[in-house]
Amino acid sequence: AGLTQPPSVSKGLRQTATLTCTGNSNNVGTHGAAWLQQHQGHPPKLLSYSNNSRPSGISERFSASRSGNTASLTITGLQPEDEADYHCSTWDSSVSAHVFGSGTEVTVL
Amino acid sequence: QLQLQESGPGLVKPSETLSLTCTVSGGSISSRSYYWGWIRRPPGKGLQWIASVYDIGSTYYSPSLKSRVVIFADSSKNQFSLRLNSVTAADTGMYYCARRRVEDRTHFDSWGQGTLVTVSS
Repeated sequence: AGLTQPPSVSKGLRQTATLTCTGNSNNVGTHGAAWLQQHQGHPPKLLSYSNNSRPSGISERFSASRSGNTASLTITGLQPEDEADYHCSTWDSSVSAHVFGSGTEVTVL
Repeated sequence: QLQLQESGPGLVKPSETLSLTCTVSGGSISSRSYYWGWIRRPPGKGLQWIASVYDIGSTYYSPSLKSRVVIFADSSKNQFSLRLNSVTAADTGMYYCARRRVEDRTHFDSWGQGTLVTVSS
């Protein structure tokens, strides 16, 4: 019931990175996905939820979308501080459980 | 401002019971607007949901951990706690407590700083 994310993405400074999170009709396909950013040594921080809503203080450079069973997070104008792990999360109706992706490590070259 | 703080032993022996507590300030765990949960991250792996509690007495568990886990809340102390028994090295990792809004099951929106738990003899 887990979600699949690529282990790593590397892009240049000021470029655009698109991260994916693939699930199925019981999780992403029905409930969508939220995205969290986690810097080394820090707890996860919510970036996006509910069809691209962002908590207060989150940059517009982070935008989320969904197509079928795959959710995506796009980071535009990559900055050094965007280097972090990115996790997707949602609910899985088939097992009645919160599920997370395996995480993607973003490197800014 | 909501704050969550985990506490508990950092080292647990194999086969013993791990006990952690989350102390909440700036909000009430009795509120019917939120669930309160535990999530962990093993070294080199992704996040894993463990359990959640709602309205003090309603509990929900990860199917893969359900047989070993208990979550409970103490409204008088505004705390909720986790007990995980029969631990092994696979239970080593960062443990976070977090809050989830009732109306959105996809995410936890506020997190504690986390506490590192190592299972080793």
